[in-house]
Amino acid sequence: GDSVTQMEGPVTLSEEAFLTINCTYTATGYPSLFWYVQYPGEGLQLLLKATKADDKGSNKGFEATYRKETTSFHLEKGSVQVSDSAVYFCAQIQGAQKLVFGQGTRLTINP
Amino acid sequence: EAGVVQSPRYKIIEKKQPVAFWCNPISGHNTLYWYLQNLGQGPELLIRYENEEAVDDSQLPKDRFSAERLKGVDSTLKIQPAELGDSAVYLCASSPLAGPTDTQYFGPGTRLTVL
Repeated sequence: GDSVTQMEGPVTLSEEAFLTINCTYTATGYPSLFWYVQYPGEGLQLLLKATKADDKGSNKGFEATYRKETTSFHLEKGSVQVSDSAVYFCAQIQGAQKLVFGQGTRLTINP
Repeated sequence: EAGVVQSPRYKIIEKKQPVAFWCNPISGHNTLYWYLQNLGQGPELLIRYENEEAVDDSQLPKDRFSAERLKGVDSTLKIQPAELGDSAVYLCASSPLAGPTDTQYFGPGTRLTVL
């Protein structure tokens, strides 16, 4: 079945470091791909999305490119801030309209 | 614009007791979802409504879980009786439609603890 695999956490970085969180998916078709973020005590928020191959989603300095050939949607940010500390979820959706999430990656940024 | 509202935010009950969660979606959103999020895991869909019709309830454990969305707006998810393994966060989400490119907007969730 459709699934999403994220790099295991937790991930701890220093402020201004470069961030990559890996995400790969398995799907029978061509899903839309999403990154959601969950800040402490808050609900899931959409961070960015891409709906077709080679699309790049971007928001708040974060970027991810839909790579059909490697079935990946890695999240990157050039310079992280303490306020980026959160749990990040990669997800896919296609015809069934059911979001399928990865297990989440906890990110902690130290000043 | 108000977001998805859920209540209560926290609930502690003893096993075998009933419990209910309430969700008010974003105004105008026809599609409503209930997800279950276990500790350290990503959310998993329990049920999806389009207006008042449950169009996907394949993951809902129907022996003890039930849901309703009367009038196609607010929704209630019920567990009766609750078991220890039901301790989790229950998330409600809504979207304008149900297409694969439509963003789902999530509420803050209800954290259930079953003792």
